[in-house]
Amino acid sequence: NAGVTQTPKFQVLKTGQSMTLQCAQDMNHEYMSWYRQDPGMGLRLIHYSVGAGITDQGEVPNGYNVSRSTTEDFPLRLLSAAPSQTSVYFCASSYAEGNTEAFFGQGTRLTVV
Amino acid sequence: EDQVTQSPEALRLQEGESSSLNCSYTVSGLRGLFWYRQDPGKGPEFLFTLYSAGEEKEKERLKATLTKKESFLHITAPKPEDSATYLCAVQAYSGTYKYIFGTGTRLKVLA
Repeated sequence: NAGVTQTPKFQVLKTGQSMTLQCAQDMNHEYMSWYRQDPGMGLRLIHYSVGAGITDQGEVPNGYNVSRSTTEDFPLRLLSAAPSQTSVYFCASSYAEGNTEAFFGQGTRLTVV
Repeated sequence: EDQVTQSPEALRLQEGESSSLNCSYTVSGLRGLFWYRQDPGKGPEFLFTLYSAGEEKEKERLKATLTKKESFLHITAPKPEDSATYLCAVQAYSGTYKYIFGTGTRLKVLA
């Protein structure tokens, strides 16, 4: 019963490098999302998807790209890492976009130096 | 502006000492209020959803209540294993759904 799986758990990047954070869910959820969590701030939505082939921007999308080719996978790409992207990233999925609880992955702690 | 505020930021309780956490919100088009528990180094874990004022839900030592302006998470006779950060989130709808999280209350229960 895996739920939402994120990889890697930790990552250190140099400024300007690119990378992809992986997220997979095995609950057949249509809605998936990416959040970042910073000290003193609530979770903030980066991008979300309401189904395969459909993505949209959240509150803080700049510097990030997403795609959704399958129901299960929703990778987050950092195009050119900046120190301001140092954060903990969470992927979440839910049965539908509204009125349902979200299931979160374990998180990826990213440090950009 | 849609906003969710949680208080206190941090709370230390003795084992067995009951207390309440507060989540106040201002949002248009409320669709639901969610409580999550987050342990260090882990993702948030769902606890409750409340949809309308007056609604209450319970799970073991936790009880969540909702009014038109705030929600309370009551912890009765807490144990050390209840130590965690408790997050409140409001879901609103105005054309699209929006999920707004509070910054959380860090709870420490001492044995």
